[in-house]
Amino acid sequence: QVQLVESGGGVVQPGRSLRLSCAASGFTFSSYGMHWVRQAPGKGLEWVAVISYDGSNKYYADSVKGRFTISRDNSKNTLYLQMNSLRAEDTAVYYCAKDNWNYVLAPCWFDPWGQGTLVTVSS
Amino acid sequence: AIQLTQSPSSLSASVGDRVTITCRASQGISSALAWYQQKPGKAPKLLIYDASSLESGVPSRFSGSGSGTDFTLTISSLQPEDFATYYCQQFNSYPPYTFGQGTRLEIK
Repeated sequence: QVQLVESGGGVVQPGRSLRLSCAASGFTFSSYGMHWVRQAPGKGLEWVAVISYDGSNKYYADSVKGRFTISRDNSKNTLYLQMNSLRAEDTAVYYCAKDNWNYVLAPCWFDPWGQGTLVTVSS
Repeated sequence: AIQLTQSPSSLSASVGDRVTITCRASQGISSALAWYQQKPGKAPKLLIYDASSLESGVPSRFSGSGSGTDFTLTISSLQPEDFATYYCQQFNSYPPYTFGQGTRLEIK
């Protein structure tokens, strides 16, 4: 079955960097777009970024544009989120999620989601 | 960005009750809406996509309806495992994808 496992979260000081990973299995990773979605403690869901199946197209939420970079390594079945210039408001559980469509980046829902990794930005 | 407003924000109900949650979009989104269920400490789980299509494996007591700006998620007969927070998400226009603020369904 499809499985997504995030890692790389932790406590980091404001202004520092962190890289999250999402290991995928159970499907042809290189055929699907992938997303990052975050959830601040006790809050709702916020979409962060999407990358196309081949990495050629990337889109970001305004709140992270210019600071976060989404990437993927299809040879390793792994999705990444490089987070720079972190702020307190970036504190959240970060989920990776699979896009519904293969070989095309088109509007869709997210299914399934990983279990999430917690990022805490604090001095 | 398209804004989604869910109502109510919280709801108390009993096992066996019929429950309806509403999601209103700030502009028309056709049928490009999904519903998710999230339990504490867990990832969201897809229930409904394309406003009314039931995801495989999801019990038939869950149903979705609506198009344009107004949508509903209905649980026909609440079960103990249904107490959770529910989110709607639009995929008509991106970036960004947007979610409703959530509806917390609690046991009465």
